[in-house]
Amino acid sequence: NAGVTQTPKFQVLKTGQSMTLQCAQDMNHEYMSWYRQDPGMGLRLIHYSVGAGITDQGEVPNGYNVSRSTTEDFPLRLLSAAPSQTSVYFCASSYVGGRDGTNTGELFFGEGSRLTVL
Amino acid sequence: AQSVTQLGSHVSVSEGALVLLRCNYSSSVPPYLFWYVQYPNQGLQLLLKYTSAATLVKGINGFEAEFKKSETSFHLTKPSAHMRDAAEYFCAVSDFEERYGGSQGNLIFGKGTKLSVKP
Repeated sequence: NAGVTQTPKFQVLKTGQSMTLQCAQDMNHEYMSWYRQDPGMGLRLIHYSVGAGITDQGEVPNGYNVSRSTTEDFPLRLLSAAPSQTSVYFCASSYVGGRDGTNTGELFFGEGSRLTVL
Repeated sequence: AQSVTQLGSHVSVSEGALVLLRCNYSSSVPPYLFWYVQYPNQGLQLLLKYTSAATLVKGINGFEAEFKKSETSFHLTKPSAHMRDAAEYFCAVSDFEERYGGSQGNLIFGKGTKLSVKP
């Protein structure tokens, strides 16, 4: 029962460095997403995907890239890290379907990746 | 566009007292609404959800919420607080839209309410 697995759990970067946050789910969920959590801001959507080969931007996409080559994996890339990207990042997944009840929008979350950019 | 407002970034109650966390939403379509809980240094866990069935929704750990369309509210309550309820609580609405051939929702979260429970 792994669910949604994120790695690494902690990372410290210097400004300008690049890195990839990994996210994998074993529930065969079509929908996957990345959020960032900052104090007093709640969770804000960065990017999401409704299936392999399909990605789209959320509320705060600048500075981040994503790709979805398989159903299971949805990595988040920071190409040139900035101090403003210091945050806790959460990956989440769910089913995709219609309003007939096959998809209630309920998200299953990973445990988070805490990133510090110096 | 859908949005969520949580009234009060911090709420403090005594152990055994009523817990009331407020959430108001804005939605152009019948909403799906959620409450999530986050314990320190953990991810988010679903407490309960409203998906247009019963307006009074019961969740885990003794929490419940009532959907009131006339007030556009979905407040979270628990009759008697316990020390283990100390956590941050997030209200969320699903922005169901037609995307890529099907209805699918991104969750839009409120800014969270941190609940403290005093002994």
